[in-house]
Amino acid sequence: QQQVKQSPQSLIVQKGGISIINCAYENTAFDYFPWYQQFPGKGPALLIAIRPDVSEKKEGRFTISFNKSAKQFSLHIMDSQPGDSATYFCAASWGGGATNKLIFGTGTLLAVQP
Amino acid sequence: KAGVTQTPRYLIKTRGQQVTLSCSPISGHRSVSWYQQTPGQGLQFLFEYFSETQRNKGNFPGRFSGRQFSNSRSEMNVSTLELGDSALYLCASSLAGGPRTGELFFGEGSRLTVL
Repeated sequence: QQQVKQSPQSLIVQKGGISIINCAYENTAFDYFPWYQQFPGKGPALLIAIRPDVSEKKEGRFTISFNKSAKQFSLHIMDSQPGDSATYFCAASWGGGATNKLIFGTGTLLAVQP
Repeated sequence: KAGVTQTPRYLIKTRGQQVTLSCSPISGHRSVSWYQQTPGQGLQFLFEYFSETQRNKGNFPGRFSGRQFSNSRSEMNVSTLELGDSALYLCASSLAGGPRTGELFFGEGSRLTVL
């Protein structure tokens, strides 16, 4: 119940294409869903986050879609660029993000080919 | 503004030894948490501290411990090291409350190798 399932494990996209990463959860107590981006040798960095009172949030080329009834959320990267090549982690927590205890997905290694 | 600083960045220990890792959070951040990252298990929560008090703890054995000092700096200790403790240990700090609640700022990690 504490797991967050993430797919795919790896993804190759052409420059300019759309990258889509999916996550699913079971614990209905989760109420905060962030996405983190990690480059090799660096720590993860927050990309975008959503709370379940909205179905979509967009920041630049990054969009989170959230389906509360299906307990699924996804990250869409529009116009993918080689600089977006990184590992992406979805995560979930409860308490509206007030806690630092995040349950992370297993990660998606994204490669954007020029 | 300086980011989260972790020391040491790399270290090698042998089984049975103990290790102490240090984390200096972003100035003004009072909440510090620790995560273990491995290829097999991914990112797993170890513990969280706020104002020198442990607020949350993950599912790790008692060999893993931590503390936070009055200046918000934090240390974690792993005793009786096992081969499986080889990992990247990440420290993250955050503002407790406010409009950016929930945003963790991660350091670059301390990579521990146990031989």
